Amino acid sequence: DTAVSQTPKYLVTQMGNDKSIKCEQNLGHDTMYWYKQDSKKFLKIMFSYNNKELIINETVPNRFSPKSPDKAHLNLHINSLELGDSAVYFCASSLRDRNTEAFFGQGTRLTVV
Amino acid sequence: QKEVEQDPGPLSVPEGAIVSLNCTYSNSAFQYFMWYRQYSRKGPELLMYTYSSGNKEDGRFTAQVDKSSKYISLFIRDSQPSDSATYLCAMTRYGNKLVFGAGTILRVKS
Repeated sequence: DTAVSQTPKYLVTQMGNDKSIKCEQNLGHDTMYWYKQDSKKFLKIMFSYNNKELIINETVPNRFSPKSPDKAHLNLHINSLELGDSAVYFCASSLRDRNTEAFFGQGTRLTVV
Repeated sequence: QKEVEQDPGPLSVPEGAIVSLNCTYSNSAFQYFMWYRQYSRKGPELLMYTYSSGNKEDGRFTAQVDKSSKYISLFIRDSQPSDSATYLCAMTRYGNKLVFGAGTILRVKS
């Protein structure tokens, strides 16, 4: 039933580690996104993929690498984690010409210690 | 200056009150305006979206857009404790990324 699902929901890891977050949507959307929400609740787009093609790549350190194996999946790999990477990461999806109606996952709360 | 400004609150109101949430923006190219609701430890969910100026009503919720003033509002009538959440405004122009406000925390007390 879940429309946009992310795993894991919580992730606690040490500085310098590499970790991945997975996202899947079953809404038939062709566009998927990664957002970062900081401690002040500010939600900012990081990446957007349309049919496996990168279309938005905001100013994000290249330690962050998204991968879209197909249009229903968008994963986020983070290398050499830093304390400042601690945040909630949200995956979302929409139809490309209906980005006004984006559906969000429940978020992955990443804590780097 | 951020593209979208939103008072973080918290805004505390008694049950049954009319709530007014607002955002201002600087980019006159924005055409689509959205309101998302986010409960604690959950993802944002779309409440309403409006194209260009005007009003849109959905049950107890009314969204207003005033493009001349670069100002948008969300009104909640007969507020309920279940409305307690963070409300995020977002805006965009066709085919572009969504730009979010910082969110306003709303607390409705019974």
